[in-house]
Amino acid sequence: GENVEQHPSTLSVQEGDSAVIKCTYSDSASNYFPWYKQELGKGPQLIIDIRSNVGEKKDQRIAVTLNKTAKHFSLHITETQPEDSAVYFCAAISGGSYIPTFGRGTSLIVHP
Amino acid sequence: DAGVIQSPRHEVTEMGQEVTLRCKPISGHDYLFWYRQTMMRGLELLIYFNNNVPIDDSGMPEDRFSAKMPNASFSTLKIQPSEPRDSAVYFCASSRTSGSHEQYFGPGTRLTVT
Repeated sequence: GENVEQHPSTLSVQEGDSAVIKCTYSDSASNYFPWYKQELGKGPQLIIDIRSNVGEKKDQRIAVTLNKTAKHFSLHITETQPEDSAVYFCAAISGGSYIPTFGRGTSLIVHP
Repeated sequence: DAGVIQSPRHEVTEMGQEVTLRCKPISGHDYLFWYRQTMMRGLELLIYFNNNVPIDDSGMPEDRFSAKMPNASFSTLKIQPSEPRDSAVYFCASSRTSGSHEQYFGPGTRLTVT
């Protein structure tokens, strides 16, 4: 089955800095890669996703890149703000499946 | 839409007691998932349903755990008897076949077994 590794487990940055979270996956059939943000006391919420037919996708301060050859994808947050503090999960889904395999999560702390 | 609804939000019970967690998925969604989240193991998929039918329960820890979905708008996760190691946050999520693969998570139930 699919295996998703996520790093780092904790990331601490100053407000205004950039943050990068990296994930690798094992199943070459995976073709959909969502990122979820979990705020304290809430369930995870989708913030951005990318499909395997593109290499990069951007939405305001958030971007995701995908390298299918190396089987890794990354989340980039620019100009971080305190409200970006949360746990971020990457996931991978194989073609034809609706079941994501989640990474272990990254706790992002943005210091004012 | 109100989103995925879970109840109760918090549950404290004694070891050996039966615990029932409830979930109402988003109307029109045909997939329903139960997850458990702990610091040690992260987010674990316990079981999922498609059109009210359990498809894969390989993530259910043991026979003490059971889940049902009697209709498209309601599901339960039951633990009987509960043990302290069951303490975790349990999430229900739903999604639909058409469109994106996005899963919509409920707010979770924080279970503490003493």
